[in-house]
Amino acid sequence: EVQLVESGGGLVQPGGSLRLSCAASGFSFSDSVMSWARQGPGKRLEWVSAISVSSKNRDYADSVKGRFTISRDNSRNTLYLQMNSLRVDDTAVYYCADLVGRTTVFGHWGQGTLVTVSS
Amino acid sequence: EIVMTQSPDTLSVSQGERATLSCRASQSVGSSLAWYQQKSGRAPRLLIHYTSTRATGIPARFSGSGSGTEFTLTISSLQSEDSAVYYCQQYESWPTFGQGTRLEIK
Repeated sequence: EVQLVESGGGLVQPGGSLRLSCAASGFSFSDSVMSWARQGPGKRLEWVSAISVSSKNRDYADSVKGRFTISRDNSRNTLYLQMNSLRVDDTAVYYCADLVGRTTVFGHWGQGTLVTVSS
Repeated sequence: EIVMTQSPDTLSVSQGERATLSCRASQSVGSSLAWYQQKSGRAPRLLIHYTSTRATGIPARFSGSGSGTEFTLTISSLQSEDSAVYYCQQYESWPTFGQGTRLEIK
């Protein structure tokens, strides 16, 4: 059974940083393109970032480019999202997901971790 | 950015009946369209991708159709557990989601 478990969320002040983690099991993590998505309060789902199996290719939504960094450790089956210069509008539940094949279809999702940016 | 618009915002249908949910793209996405189900307090679940291909374990009463800019998710023989918010998502370009349709089972 595919399991994705996010952690690292919490309350942070504007301008602060957080690092999210996503522990994966039940599938071949090292062969899977991975992604982060988020859902702010009352907002639609939003893709945030994606990373290739080798970490060579990393893509970001314009809203987070230059502030967020996606990474992965295939030896630990773990995906990360380093979030710097956080803004109030980054407040959301953050989900990790594996992507289907070479598409940006989100195959399996974790349960999410809440990030609240507030003073 | 391709904007996805779903209709209606809320749909109330009796158990055992059929529900039809619509999704429109601001420009053509070909067949690169997925549907997700999100129950209250839970993570989204992939239902359908490539417009009409059901994900593993999804029952046949969930079906998708359409192409270009107009898409439909049909759920036949509605069951109480189908109560959820349904999102469409295009992946022709950087992925974007619709605002969701809340399906209520009467």
